[in-house]
Parts: sequence; C-alpha cells; structure tokens
Amino acid sequence: KQEVTQIPAALSVPEGENLVLNCSFTDSAIYNLQWFRQDPGKGLTSLLLIQSSQREQTSGRLNASLDKSSGRSTLYIAASQPGDSATYLCAVMTSGTYKYIFGTGTRLKVLA
Amino acid sequence: NAGVTQTPKFRILKIGQSMTLQCTQDMNHNYMYWYRQDPGMGLKLIYYSVGAGITDKGEVPNGYNVSRSTTEDFPLRLELAAPSQTSVYFCASSYDARDYGYTFGSGTRLTVV
Repeated sequence: KQEVTQIPAALSVPEGENLVLNCSFTDSAIYNLQWFRQDPGKGLTSLLLIQSSQREQTSGRLNASLDKSSGRSTLYIAASQPGDSATYLCAVMTSGTYKYIFGTGTRLKVLA
Repeated sequence: NAGVTQTPKFRILKIGQSMTLQCTQDMNHNYMYWYRQDPGMGLKLIYYSVGAGITDKGEVPNGYNVSRSTTEDFPLRLELAAPSQTSVYFCASSYDARDYGYTFGSGTRLTVV
C-alpha cells in the first residue's frame, strides 16, 4: 500500500531564503507525482506535475525533482516571499491506479 | 471556463439528516473524485469514477454514496449524517490523471451537530 510522508510538518523562514520541502513515498512504481498549494480555508492549486519518466519540472521560482528509485521528491522554492506562505501537499499516483495518495502537507510561513 | 464547481460552500447538518454535495465540471473530464480533508490530515479518497456509469470505492467510503449519470456531474450523498463526517469535502477531476493530474474544486465545509 502506497504511503506518502512529508517532512517537516511545519517550517518558518525569513523572506528571501531558499528552501526545500520533502516528500517520500513507499512504492516506487508510480505514474506521476503532483505538488499542490493550499491557502487557509481554500481549495488546492496545482503547482507542478512530474511524470515518472522525468527528473524535474520548473515553474518560475519553483523546481520539483523526482527520484523514483529512492522514493523521494523535493520542492525547491527560490527567494521565498511572504505570499508563498501556505500548506504544500504532494500527491503520488501509483501505477495501475487512477487516484492520488496525499501526504499530510508542510505548512510554510515566510516572515517579512 | 468554470472548471470544477462545488455547491454548497458551507453547510450545517443535524445528526441523522441527509444531504447531497454537488460537483460539476465543464472540461469534459472522464475522471472524477471525492476527497475529505480533516484538520491536520491529508486528503482521504471517498469515491471516484473513471467515466459515466462507473464508480468505485476509495479509502473511506462508509456513510457515503455516489452516482455518475453524466460526464459533467458527480454528486456525493451523505445518508444519516454523523459528527464523524464533519470535514471539508473536495471534488477533483481529470481528463486522464496519469498524464494530466487533478483539477480541484474550492471545497464544501460541512459541520454535523
């Protein structure tokens, strides 16, 4: 059974710092991995989708990497801003299924 | 382009009442999903559908029912509401989740008292 873990559960950093959020999963046979952002009381916004054949994806200040063999993905946020404050969730789609298993998220606070 | 629309946004139910959470998408997506999110927890899959007329259980289906009579709509029915069903419910859809990932609705916050 696929299990997804995100560490740390919470993170507080000063503005301008580069930071890394971690996601690990137990079954390396996956279709893809998706990173989402969730603001308090809001829905989930897709940030990056990485297919199993890809090593990384980039969007603006965000870069997500995938190491399937070790069951790990990282989300790198460059030059963090207070507007980046949110909960970041990773979700993994195991091969042979059409559904995501979610981690419990990392709650990020960027201090001005 | 409306995307995934969920109604209502908020609802308070009394124990034992029933209700239907609505989810509609206008993107001609085949795959639709219902998740619940409890405080401090990740999202748990309730039910999903890979096309009209086809539904399947997720991790936490007890106390819920779904139907998928059209491509656009995927309502979630709560029968005999219980306090344990207090949660935020999210609907998501995808053309093909293996290649495109999910698009989420904005959620329904349900409280059972």
